[in-house]
Amino acid sequence: DSGVTQTPKHLITATGQRVTLRCSPRSGDLSVYWYQQSLDQGLQFLIHYYNGEERAKGNILERFSAQQFPDLHSELNLSSLELGDSALYFCASSVFPLGGGYNEQFFGPGTRLTVL
Amino acid sequence: DAKTTQPNSMESNEEEPVHLPCNHSTISGTDYIHWYRQLPSQGPEYVIHGLTSNVNNRMASLAIAEDRKSSTLILHRATLRDAAVYYCILISNFGNEKLTFGTGTRLTIIP
Repeated sequence: DSGVTQTPKHLITATGQRVTLRCSPRSGDLSVYWYQQSLDQGLQFLIHYYNGEERAKGNILERFSAQQFPDLHSELNLSSLELGDSALYFCASSVFPLGGGYNEQFFGPGTRLTVL
Repeated sequence: DAKTTQPNSMESNEEEPVHLPCNHSTISGTDYIHWYRQLPSQGPEYVIHGLTSNVNNRMASLAIAEDRKSSTLILHRATLRDAAVYYCILISNFGNEKLTFGTGTRLTIIP
């Protein structure tokens, strides 16, 4: 158990709908990262928040947005869903923004999103 | 980001050592070498990292070539629980703010 929790575990929805994925980081971790894992693209970085502020963006679609709240939990909002958005969505946390020398990310169990 | 190259898959017998190679010929002086692994149906987990010297921890050892253009993750005595996809990732000390995962090596352990 990494200490990172994600809800829900599974989500099945229809095209065009909007969903919200939730992540609670490990106690004391200020950084939250979101990743998408699909069969054809592998693990892709989406976005990083540190202490409530957006720090870095990856290949995140405009239909997707995220935020980190004062209690440090984070939500990833996916709207106008398409079939291709079906994937595993992982949240990870670290104490500080990732640096090479000392930091590691702790990953949650993921949310499996199926768009029908 | 500097790129890493790993074999797509490897097999090993249970209770034998496993050597997982990674090539990173364009590594810069400030890049640390990190290894993560992803067990089936789980999120990735940190394994080990290093800069220049070889490193050991309870999970594995990391051997880094003298020119740092390659490294090897060593599992000393593989168990069935070590079957996973292993990712070699370079992380700048100035903060990449993210992990850039390649395709990794799928390790199969044969009982």
